[in-house]
Amino acid sequence: KNQVEQSPQSLIILEGKNCTLQCNYTVSPFSNLRWYKQDTGRGPVSLTIMTFSENTKSNGRYTATLDADTKQSSLHITASQLSDSASYICVVSADYGQNFVFGPGTRLSVLP
Amino acid sequence: NAGVTQTPKFQVLKTGQSMTLQCAQDMNHEYMSWYRQDPGMGLRLIHYSVGAGITDQGEVPNGYNVSRSTTEDFPLRLLSAAPSQTSVYFCASSPQGDSYEQYFGPGTRLTVT
Repeated sequence: KNQVEQSPQSLIILEGKNCTLQCNYTVSPFSNLRWYKQDTGRGPVSLTIMTFSENTKSNGRYTATLDADTKQSSLHITASQLSDSASYICVVSADYGQNFVFGPGTRLSVLP
Repeated sequence: NAGVTQTPKFQVLKTGQSMTLQCAQDMNHEYMSWYRQDPGMGLRLIHYSVGAGITDQGEVPNGYNVSRSTTEDFPLRLLSAAPSQTSVYFCASSPQGDSYEQYFGPGTRLTVT
């Protein structure tokens, strides 16, 4: 069964610190992997999209990595800000149609 | 561009009532989708459309109907609301379904009592 798992479930860090969120997937065939940021009460917003051949992609202070061999991805947030408090969702697309498999998300809280 | 808009933002229904959640996009996207988001779970696909006049079922289609008469609009109909349909509903659109970014609406929080 296609699945996406994320860890940790929740994370609390202090403003200015770095953190790394993990995503493991068992989706086949693989097309691409996406990271979304979802603020409370809002819809998800895309951060990065990586295909099979891409190992890393950055969007400002957000850097995503992908290891297609081990089926793992990570999202690294540098110099966290209060506005980074949100849920971060890993999504893997299978190579057909609208088959996006969403992870449950990691809830990040950045404290002053 | 307004992007993807959804109405209403909140709704309370009684069991057995019907209603339509509205979704519209002004980006001329071909692909549109409806998802539900429940606590502790990832978003799950209800129905999707790859263009006007074309719709298909997702992972959890039971109890919901959709139609796509125009490129811009993709309403979701609840036929006979049940407490199990209490959830947050998101509409999304994209130029194409697989390789392109999906844009999500702000969501509709539905409570069925």
